[in-house]
Amino acid sequence: GQQLNQSPQSMFIQEGEDVSMNCTSSSIFNTWLWYKQDPGEGPVLLIALYKAGELTSNGRLTAQFGITRKDSFLNISASIPSDVGIYFCAGYSGGGADGLTFGKGTHLIIQP
Amino acid sequence: DTEVTQTPKHLVMGMTNKKSLKCEQHMGHRAMYWYKQKAKKPPELMFVYSYEKLSINESVPSRFSPECPNSSLLNLHLHALQPEDSALYLCASSHQAHRTDEAFFGQGTRLTVV
Repeated sequence: GQQLNQSPQSMFIQEGEDVSMNCTSSSIFNTWLWYKQDPGEGPVLLIALYKAGELTSNGRLTAQFGITRKDSFLNISASIPSDVGIYFCAGYSGGGADGLTFGKGTHLIIQP
Repeated sequence: DTEVTQTPKHLVMGMTNKKSLKCEQHMGHRAMYWYKQKAKKPPELMFVYSYEKLSINESVPSRFSPECPNSSLLNLHLHALQPEDSALYLCASSHQAHRTDEAFFGQGTRLTVV
């Protein structure tokens, strides 16, 4: 099946720093979604990307849909303590898509 | 309103019990999904319902039985589960299945099988 390679697996940063994470795939995706999940909760949708090259912001978050349609990145600027959590990329490949394909997640830890 | 509501939030059940997980959404979405998530892993797709019909079963054991009574409700019936079935079970919905669309997740049911 399809796989999404998400990196880094974890990040230890200082409050106020910028964060960058990305996902790549060997196959084309028609939609890229970025979710954040807190412990014991369901994933919360942060940003949805629908077109190759699209750059979308949501507050301090910015995400881009790669031109090749095989990758996406998420940036978080000026991190704050509530940004702690696990970030997942997810994608739809289209053509009878069978639900979302998820990356393995990036665990963000912010040190005071 | 982008809310998907799951009940119960926590469930502990024995291997001989029968229980059900419930999911509800009122966004007019016609696709609903069950995912299973183990600790520190991404969600794994179990079932997809499209217009109240089961469209995808990702080779899930028969001890998990989904049901979609109407377009707003999705149930997951559990019977004779094993301890390794303990996980966070997530329900999600989107406008339609088989489309490149946003999916919204519920808070999940934390299931422990003893």
